[in-house]
Order: sequence, then structure tokens, then C-alpha cells
Amino acid sequence: EIVMTQSPATLSVSPGERATLSCRASQSVGRNLAWYQQKPGQAPRLLIFDASTRATGVPAMFSGSGSGTDFTLTISSLQSEDFAVYYCQQYNYWPVTFGQGTTVEIK
Amino acid sequence: QGQLVQSGGEVKMPGAAVKVSCKASGYTFSAYGITWVRQAPGQGPEWMGWVSAYNGDTNYARKFQDRVTMTTDTSTTTAYMELRSLRFDDTAIYYCAKSPFLRPMDVWGKGTTVTVSS
Repeated sequence: EIVMTQSPATLSVSPGERATLSCRASQSVGRNLAWYQQKPGQAPRLLIFDASTRATGVPAMFSGSGSGTDFTLTISSLQSEDFAVYYCQQYNYWPVTFGQGTTVEIK
Repeated sequence: QGQLVQSGGEVKMPGAAVKVSCKASGYTFSAYGITWVRQAPGQGPEWMGWVSAYNGDTNYARKFQDRVTMTTDTSTTTAYMELRSLRFDDTAIYYCAKSPFLRPMDVWGKGTTVTVSS
């Protein structure tokens, strides 16, 4: 099973600043990596797939990069609605696996 | 892109079974699969498995393989997930999500809370 490790566990950011989240896979997953956003009481929402492609309706302030084992989600100019938990997920192999999440909180 | 509507919350005794439904609309049901993910209180998502709405093929997480069954009914565009021999640590929100084979989940249901309590 592929283990996905996200860092940091918590990221404190001031509104208007940039947030950079990391995700590392225990072995190469190519570009088969997605990012999800989850707010309290809601289901996860797909933000990025294939490492860098934004899902329908996702604003350009969200960008993804990376391949192989190391991936990054960048959120430029954080707004109040962007404070949430973010999960990475690999879908290169069964079983599909998620990282443990990064909480982006208001500084 | 579609919509997934899940059945209501359930409270079950340890050892019982639960069956959660997921009604799809707004897309060609049989062209995709349905992934089931659960999330225990305060934890991250946990992938349980995937079922093809085209031919019923399944792929289950090893952890659940012996006590989960995922099915679809194309006549009603509904997917089902049955989990048997429930334990206290099966208490979680269970989500269904639309996804092709080994692809990300782009549409999610709102979740079904399953509580296992004596």
C-alpha cells in the first residue's frame, strides 16, 4: 500500500498570504495525485487532479505541481473561505490512499 | 457533473449490518463507478472500495474485504454499500463519490452517519 505523508500537519497563515502544502508518496505515483478541500460538516471537494489540473469551478488561486513522489499544493492570497483541511490522494494503485491532511488555519 | 443523494443516518448494534444507498442523477450512471470512503470522527478519509456501475466489478480495501459488499442497480441509478459484523470503531460518516476506474472522485454525496452503539 502506498503511504501518503503530508506536511505540515497544521499551517497558520494570515489572510492574503500564500500557503504551500506538501505531499510525499512512499513510492512513485506518476502524476496520479489529487488534492481535496474539506470544510467542517462537509464532504471533501476535488480541487486538483493529475497533479496540476484544476477541477471544474476551482479558482486559479489553487495550483498543484509535482510528479513521482513529491507534490505541492499552493494557495495564493488566502481568503476566509479557504481555511480548511486539505488532503492529497494517490490513485495510481489500488488501494487508493489519502494523506492524513493539512489544516490551514488563520494566523 | 451530477449529484449523489445518500440515505439517512443509521444507529446499529455491534454485530449487525448496515446498508447505505447512494442515488445518482445528472450523469450517465453506467459510464462511471462509485467509490465509498468513510471518515471516523476527527480522522481523515479512508478508502473502502470501488464498484463499477457498468459491469459490477469491485475492488475492496483489504481491511474490509471480508465484510463489505458494494453493488449498483442501473435501473434505479443507485449504488449500495453493505457493511456487516459492525464494530464500535465502524462509527463514521460514509460517503459515496463518483469516479471512473482508478481516477479521482469529482462528485460526492453529503455522507451518511453510521453509529454503532449498544
